[in-house]
Amino acid sequence: TQLLEQSPQFLSIQEGENLTVYCNSSSVFSSLQWYRQEPGEGPVLLVTVVTGGEVKKLKRLTFQFGDARKDSSLHITAAQPGDTGLYLCAGEGSSNTGKLIFGQGTTLQVKP
Amino acid sequence: DAGITQSPRHKVTETGTPVTLRCHQTENHRYMYWYRQDPGHGLRLIHYSYGVKDTDKGEVSDGYSVSRSKTEDFLLTLESATSSQTSVYFCAIRATGYNTGELFFGEGSRLTVL
Repeated sequence: TQLLEQSPQFLSIQEGENLTVYCNSSSVFSSLQWYRQEPGEGPVLLVTVVTGGEVKKLKRLTFQFGDARKDSSLHITAAQPGDTGLYLCAGEGSSNTGKLIFGQGTTLQVKP
Repeated sequence: DAGITQSPRHKVTETGTPVTLRCHQTENHRYMYWYRQDPGHGLRLIHYSYGVKDTDKGEVSDGYSVSRSKTEDFLLTLESATSSQTSVYFCAIRATGYNTGELFFGEGSRLTVL
C-alpha cells in the first residue's frame, strides 16, 4: 500500500517568515501534485512535478520533487496571510488512471 | 471552473438509511472520482469511473456503491449509512488535456450520520 507522510501537520507563523512542508514516501510516484484547500471548498491544484529532481516556482512558492521520485517539498518565502489554508500533497502510481494517494495535509496559519 | 456540481451540499441522516450523493459535470470528461476527507487522513479514494458504466473501487470502497449511466453524472450511494461514514465527500474530474493526477474538485458534500 502506498502512503504519503506529510509534515508538519500544523504550522502557525508570522507574516514574512519562511516555511517548508515535506511529503515523504517509500514508494515511487509517476507524478506528484500539490493542492491548496480553503474551508468549505474543494482542493485546488497548485502544481505537478513529474521528473526526479524537478524544481518548479509559483511566485513565492517553490516545489521540488526528489531525485528518486519518492518525496517532495513545498517552500514558501515571506509568507503572507493570504497563504493561510490546507496544503495537500498527492502522488500517482504507475496506473495512469488518476488515482491519487494523498498526504494527511498541512494546515498553515499565517498571522499578520 | 471545471463545471462540477455536487448535491446535496449538506445532509444529516440517521444510521441505516440510504443516501445518494450526486456529482454533475458539464464538459464530458471521461474520468470521475469520489473521495472522502476526514481529519488526519487527507483525502481517500472511494470509487472512480473511466466511462459510462465503467467503474472501479478505490482504497475505501466498503459500504459504498456507484453508478454512472451517463457521462455527466456520477452517483455515490451509501446503502445503509453508518456513523463512520460521516465525512466530507468530494467529487473530482480529470480534465481533458491535463496530465494524469491533475484533478479538479467540486465544492464537497458534508454528510452527518447520527
